[in-house]
Amino acid sequence: AQTVTQSQPEMSVQEAETVTLSCTYDTSESNYYLFWYKQPPSRQMILVIRQEAYKQQNATENRFSVNFQKAAKSFSLKISDSQLGDTAMYFCAFFYSGTYKYIFGTGTRLKVLA
Amino acid sequence: GAGVSQSPRYKVAKRGQDVALRCDPISGHVSLFWYQQALGQGPEFLTYFQNEAQLDKSGLPSDRFFAERPEGSVSTLKIQRTQQEDSAVYLCASSLEGFDYGYTFGSGTRLTVV
Repeated sequence: AQTVTQSQPEMSVQEAETVTLSCTYDTSESNYYLFWYKQPPSRQMILVIRQEAYKQQNATENRFSVNFQKAAKSFSLKISDSQLGDTAMYFCAFFYSGTYKYIFGTGTRLKVLA
Repeated sequence: GAGVSQSPRYKVAKRGQDVALRCDPISGHVSLFWYQQALGQGPEFLTYFQNEAQLDKSGLPSDRFFAERPEGSVSTLKIQRTQQEDSAVYLCASSLEGFDYGYTFGSGTRLTVV
């Protein structure tokens, strides 16, 4: 069975600084996708970034980038130049090609401090 | 509509009461999903529709949970004889086709059973 682990329940970072959120997963599948979602107090899950497992190049979206280590089954999210609006819960999620169910981690609560 | 709309935003039910939660997906989106998010946890899959067909209901926790999407657009998640363990945020998500690029989530309904 696939599992996703986020070992940091809470983190904080000063505005304009960089923070890295950790995620590890376990799967025997070879073709899969990884995502980071942001959930602000409004509760809507907002897609931050996605990564295809077959791609070696790490995904980047503006201030957000990932460090994808397939052999280590690690998928961390780096947020550069943190902004107050980045304050939210962040969920790592996995699914493998051929299915449609996300498997989410338990989340990391990130607080950006002014 | 421009996004996935869910109503009500909050629902308080007395134990034993029946509730109905509504999801209005993005117009034209074929796939619709329901997830349950307990406090402090990541969302967990409940059920999946492709148009009006419910293709997977394996995540529904008991036969008190029932979902429908009769015309392939709006969906309703019904919970009969609510119990305290049903307290959670219920998230709806939709997808145009395929799943690889992530879903669009609504803001959820927070159900509290007292």
